[in-house]
Amino acid sequence: RKEVEQDPGPFNVPEGATVAFNCTYSNSASQSFFWYRQDCRKEPKLLMSVYSSGNEDGRFTAQLNRASQYISLLIRDSKLSDSATYLCVVTPPDYKLSFGAGTTVTVRA
Amino acid sequence: GAVVSQHPSWVICKSGTSVKIECRSLDFQATTMFWYRQFPKQSLMLMATSNEGSKATYEQGVEKDKFLINHASLTLSTLTVTSAHPEDSSFYICSAYRPENTEAFFGQGTRLTVV
Repeated sequence: RKEVEQDPGPFNVPEGATVAFNCTYSNSASQSFFWYRQDCRKEPKLLMSVYSSGNEDGRFTAQLNRASQYISLLIRDSKLSDSATYLCVVTPPDYKLSFGAGTTVTVRA
Repeated sequence: GAVVSQHPSWVICKSGTSVKIECRSLDFQATTMFWYRQFPKQSLMLMATSNEGSKATYEQGVEKDKFLINHASLTLSTLTVTSAHPEDSSFYICSAYRPENTEAFFGQGTRLTVV
């Protein structure tokens, strides 16, 4: 079983729509959780950390469910610039970051 | 600005030659850096953990004699792909982890093409 699994998508949504997707992780001792954004042929960049209580950053909302071992990302009022691959990143105790394969989101005009 | 700098950003080399990729942390000391490889439409796969002043630890299936890692200082790790073959063509990315804010910073990546 992979350490981190994501729905690869693609999620093809119109501008203004809401899109949400999850990521499951296998190591229950994982300590930190992040969503990174990766544009084509570029390095991943931190989008937001995911806290136990859930957190929101503008149009983006992240949730963590430790009992079911998944995190989620919701994007409201999608913009064309939100088109990217979103990587779920989980940090186990040894700090070896585990990446999901990424969820591709395409926002169309 | 970038906090982790990776060089070169792209390289084309002939089969059988060696290629060195550098990864520098610019404004913090990184005792640990990570090297990843990403094939098209696949996730980032951890290749090895680079430890300053000691040997790197390699993930299962990664040949340590082919992918030489040197972490001679707290701000520099290098990955050398030795005797490169076309199947080594990939996107290589380094990462340095800053424990105080639990954030990982990535280099810009190196696109290696072996012809």
